Amino acid sequence: EAEVAQSPRYKITEKSQAVAFWCDPISGHATLYWYRQILGQGPELLVQFQDESVVDDSQLPKDRFSAERLKGVDSTLKIQPAELGDSAMYLCASSRAGRAGNTIYFGEGSWLTVV
Amino acid sequence: AQSVTQPDIHITVSEGASLELRCNYSYGATPYLFWYVQSPGQGLQLLLKYFSGDTLVQGIKGFEAEFKRSQSSFNLRKPSVHWSDAAEYFCAVGGAQGSQGNLIFGKGTKLSVKP
Repeated sequence: EAEVAQSPRYKITEKSQAVAFWCDPISGHATLYWYRQILGQGPELLVQFQDESVVDDSQLPKDRFSAERLKGVDSTLKIQPAELGDSAMYLCASSRAGRAGNTIYFGEGSWLTVV
Repeated sequence: AQSVTQPDIHITVSEGASLELRCNYSYGATPYLFWYVQSPGQGLQLLLKYFSGDTLVQGIKGFEAEFKRSQSSFNLRKPSVHWSDAAEYFCAVGGAQGSQGNLIFGKGTKLSVKP
């Protein structure tokens, strides 16, 4: 069964450093999502791509977070500089199309600890 | 605005006992509804989803959920819980036709199973 691939699985970084996460969605999935999940909470959307275009980044803290999906396939989420409050799991997900009802498939997540 | 409420933060049941996890949603129209399960340190796996039609939905691993419009609820049930069901369960709501397919998640219910 095809999966959403993410790396690294675990990352510890110092405050004010830069960190990046990579995601490879399921082949053929046009829509890619980055969610953030704080311990004890449900996932919250950071950014949604349709192919290479951003369709929703309203919850992305743009002063420090950036995301790109240059060729409409894999994607990178970057944080610079990292803050203590950024410690969370970063989940990448994909779906065939960004339409209501399409099943969203999640990767195993990237755990970030900022010290 | 869309929202999801999972009233129970933590539930403990004995192995072999029945299970019901509660989910209430707030949405102006009939939403798409989902239940996901997350094992510790892992991503989210889809258990089942409701779009329309029969209000009782069957999912994987023996789970089912019932959509009740009058109560704005979508409770998850399983007749006999297995130790491997111990995990965190998230209810999610997606927009109606024309939306971009993003999901709004509840805060989750952690399920513990006693031997």
